[in-house]
Amino acid sequence: QQPVQSPQAVILREGEDAVINCSSSKALYSVHWYRQKHGEAPVFLMILLKGGEQKGHDKISASFNEKKQQSSLYLTASQLSYSGTYFCGTETDFGNEKLTFGTGTRLTIIP
Amino acid sequence: GAVVSQHPSRVICKSGTSVKIECRSLDFQATTMFWYRQFPKQSLMLMATSNEGSKATYEQGVEKDKFLINHASLTLSTLTVTSAHPEDSSFYICSASRSGRGVTDTQYFGPGTRLTVL
Repeated sequence: QQPVQSPQAVILREGEDAVINCSSSKALYSVHWYRQKHGEAPVFLMILLKGGEQKGHDKISASFNEKKQQSSLYLTASQLSYSGTYFCGTETDFGNEKLTFGTGTRLTIIP
Repeated sequence: GAVVSQHPSRVICKSGTSVKIECRSLDFQATTMFWYRQFPKQSLMLMATSNEGSKATYEQGVEKDKFLINHASLTLSTLTVTSAHPEDSSFYICSASRSGRGVTDTQYFGPGTRLTVL
């Protein structure tokens, strides 16, 4: 079953912050975050391997709540280049490397 | 590092013909490659997992005789859509992972192939 992401879509002004949530009905072993621009391939953002792990680079960070089977992606001081659709990819079967991708969140940044 | 290429980027074919899509890892050896299909404004749906030297593992509902996958080397996997029909029109994307089986690793995606079947 596909993880559910919220919100489905969000429009922000440049400089504003956003939080994207990814919620699974299954236990999670890892969570991978990607951004995809229209007509292009998904670009890897980060991977979270352990419950409680938090990661970040530049102004994008993420957390992984293993107990709640959730992950959140945080975008601070958003830039125009952050526009795109964000997907979480979840590993629900330990060790088989397969990812089930979430429903997606479309982020639009306006000047 | 970790560049994945796909060829062709776009293909238009007539109904009933077969189309081959290549996925290459350019600067690393990919033990595992994955094939996804993405319909407009939808998420990526895994079709199959391809391991070098062994048969691909297909997801439920994906016809293995229609979508032939070959992972002949550590840098090349191919997907052949046989007897393509208009409903097969989609964006096909491959990804490659450096790790061996059983190890979680980043999947690096190719640029995708837009297939249109007339």
